[in-house]
Amino acid sequence: DAGVIQSPRHEVTEMGQEVTLRCKPISGHNSLFWYRQTMMRGLELLIYFNNNVPIDDSGMPEDRFSAKMPNASFSTLKIQPSEPRDSAVYFCASRTGGLSYEQYFGPGTRLTVT
Amino acid sequence: KQEVTQIPAALSVPEGENLVLNCSFTDSAIYNLQWFRQDPGKGLTSLLLIQSSQREQTSGRLNASLDKSSGRSTLYIAASQPGDSATYLCAVPSGNTGKLIFGQGTTLQVKP
Repeated sequence: DAGVIQSPRHEVTEMGQEVTLRCKPISGHNSLFWYRQTMMRGLELLIYFNNNVPIDDSGMPEDRFSAKMPNASFSTLKIQPSEPRDSAVYFCASRTGGLSYEQYFGPGTRLTVT
Repeated sequence: KQEVTQIPAALSVPEGENLVLNCSFTDSAIYNLQWFRQDPGKGLTSLLLIQSSQREQTSGRLNASLDKSSGRSTLYIAASQPGDSATYLCAVPSGNTGKLIFGQGTTLQVKP
């Protein structure tokens, strides 16, 4: 398996622009997580999907952030409009089964908003 | 609320040394604990997963132990090599979703 795939790997955009990050989980995994990593706050969960349904979005910072999972093999995280404080590395992770199972992380998308 | 702490924040050792990285968590009701490695500018690579019923897990030169009652885990690296230089993160699943709560990491430098 190719592992969790994320695109783009790097994104540089200007403040106010829309940004869309993409994730393809490992085939057969039914749970998908979006995390954000910053120097100040470390790694934090943004949103969790189970069987394509958003279950926990309490980590989404504000209404500018939205996430979708239209099918089991694809998810997007959108920021509109983007702000400089959104600059971070965004990771997607997937898991099969329940809470006792391992999470596998993608390579991340490094977002820079100028 | 689960909190995860890693000590030390940074560690520099000469090649060949055996070393221990520490991870502590406040809520002992965990399903498992996962250790990750992160190279600069890269993603997270899962190293070891210890289930709550296990005391330790081994993979090559790495050995992770888990003591749920005291809220601690250690990652032991034997015969360290320069290629082991990276940031090591521990994480535990929390809540009904199993979202991972991460420590801030230990940045390891192994000098040749």
